[in-house]
Amino acid sequence: QLQLQESGPGLVKPSETLSLTCTVSGGSISSSNYYWDWIRQPPGKGLEWIGTIYYTGSTGSTYYSPSLESRVTIFIDTSKNQFSLKLNSVTAADTAIYYCARLVQDTDWYLDYWGQGTLVTVSS
Amino acid sequence: QSALTQPASVSESPGQSITISCTGTSSDIGTYNLVSWYQLHPGKAPKLIIYDVSERPSGISNRFSGSKSGNTASLTISGLQAEDEAAYYCCSYAGSSTVIFGGGTKVTVL
Repeated sequence: QLQLQESGPGLVKPSETLSLTCTVSGGSISSSNYYWDWIRQPPGKGLEWIGTIYYTGSTGSTYYSPSLESRVTIFIDTSKNQFSLKLNSVTAADTAIYYCARLVQDTDWYLDYWGQGTLVTVSS
Repeated sequence: QSALTQPASVSESPGQSITISCTGTSSDIGTYNLVSWYQLHPGKAPKLIIYDVSERPSGISNRFSGSKSGNTASLTISGLQAEDEAAYYCCSYAGSSTVIFGGGTKVTVL
């Protein structure tokens, strides 16, 4: 059974960088036909897709939400079976539960396994 | 990219059926049969309940069904049970390797 677990600081100061890691167990992060995604949910609001990464044998191919693209980086570490998120210049609006998930992308497009999420608060 | 439009809340009695709509545009739902639905219980990992508009993953009850017409997708839950009380989110592929979510619908079982 595939499992994903988010980890990282629960508190980040405004203007600093939010960094989270998703550890994948029960399967390989370099498997073909799978992408690896970050999604967030601000308090009282809906889900927002952040971006995705696909292992290509080097650093990976990435795609980001147009609204966050200027501040986001997603990268992959196959040696640790992990992928990570960095979000620069954070503000209170970036306070949210952050989820990592596996994206099935072939002729389909859906997120079949998710982590439980981790709350990140942006505050001084 | 604006969020897909869902009703904020739906309430119904046990045993009844509900349908949650999810309205997008011709750039997402209207073009792609790549709509999925997720169930969120507080503190738990989100669960995939429908993919490719109407397909159910293994282990998901057949009380959950999905459909699409034009720019609107729908999730129907029949035989409503107390355990179905949760938030439900639709999601659509939106081209250029991006996806878009709905605003979410809180389902209350009366």
